[in-house]
Amino acid sequence: DAGVTQSPTHLIKTRGQHVTLRCSPISGHKSVSWYQQVLGQGPQFIFQYYEKEERGRGNFPDRFSARQFPNYSSELNVNALLLGDSALYLCASSYRVSNEQFFGPGTRLTVL
Amino acid sequence: GESVGLHLPTLSVQEGDNSIINCAYSNSASDYFIWYKQESGKGPQFIIDIRSNMDKRQGQRVTVLLNKTVKHLSLQIAATQPGDSAVYFCAENYNNAGNMLTFGGGTRLMVKP
Repeated sequence: DAGVTQSPTHLIKTRGQHVTLRCSPISGHKSVSWYQQVLGQGPQFIFQYYEKEERGRGNFPDRFSARQFPNYSSELNVNALLLGDSALYLCASSYRVSNEQFFGPGTRLTVL
Repeated sequence: GESVGLHLPTLSVQEGDNSIINCAYSNSASDYFIWYKQESGKGPQFIIDIRSNMDKRQGQRVTVLLNKTVKHLSLQIAATQPGDSAVYFCAENYNNAGNMLTFGGGTRLMVKP
C-alpha cells in the first residue's frame, strides 16, 4: 500500500511569491496534518484537517492556509514568502483525529 | 510556551551496545508521548508510543520509559545497529489537542561499526 505522498519533492521560490504544496493521505485516512521543519529542529505543527474541516491551528501567520478536499487530499498554501519560510514541509495522515500519524517524505521549500 | 526538549544533541555508540536517548517535557497536561526516527531525506517514522497511565512500554528492541514525577521520557534501543543511525525526536500530545504534536529538538544517534 502507498504511504503518504507529497508533491513536489523540492521547490525553489523567491521572496514575495506564493506556493502550494500537496499531500495525499494513506488510503482510508481522513485526517491530514501539516508540519514545518526548519533545518536542525523538530517539526512544528501548522494545521490539522479532518473531514474537510480545520481541527487545529498552530502558531503561524495568516499567510499560511490549507484546505482538505472530498478525497481527503490536502493543500498547504503560503503567501508572500519570506526567507524564513525555507524548510521541509511535512504532511501526516491518520484515520481519525487522535490516531497514530504517518508522515510523508516532505517537500523541501527554499526561498531565495 | 511549554515545549518538549532533549538533553543531548548527539549520541555516539558502538554497534551492539545499548542506546539511551532522553527527553524532558514541561507540559503536565500531556498524556501521550511518541518517539519518532527520522533518516536523512525522509519524514519522521513512528517507533513507539506511551500513554501517561503507563510507565514502561516495550517494542521490538526498543523500550520507552515515562517518569511523570520528573517529566522525563527515555528511549532505549537494545543492540544498536548501523541502521539505527538517525535523528530521534520525542513528541507530546494532550487529548484536547487532536493530533497536534509538540516535538523536541532531536538527538542524532551515530552508530560506530
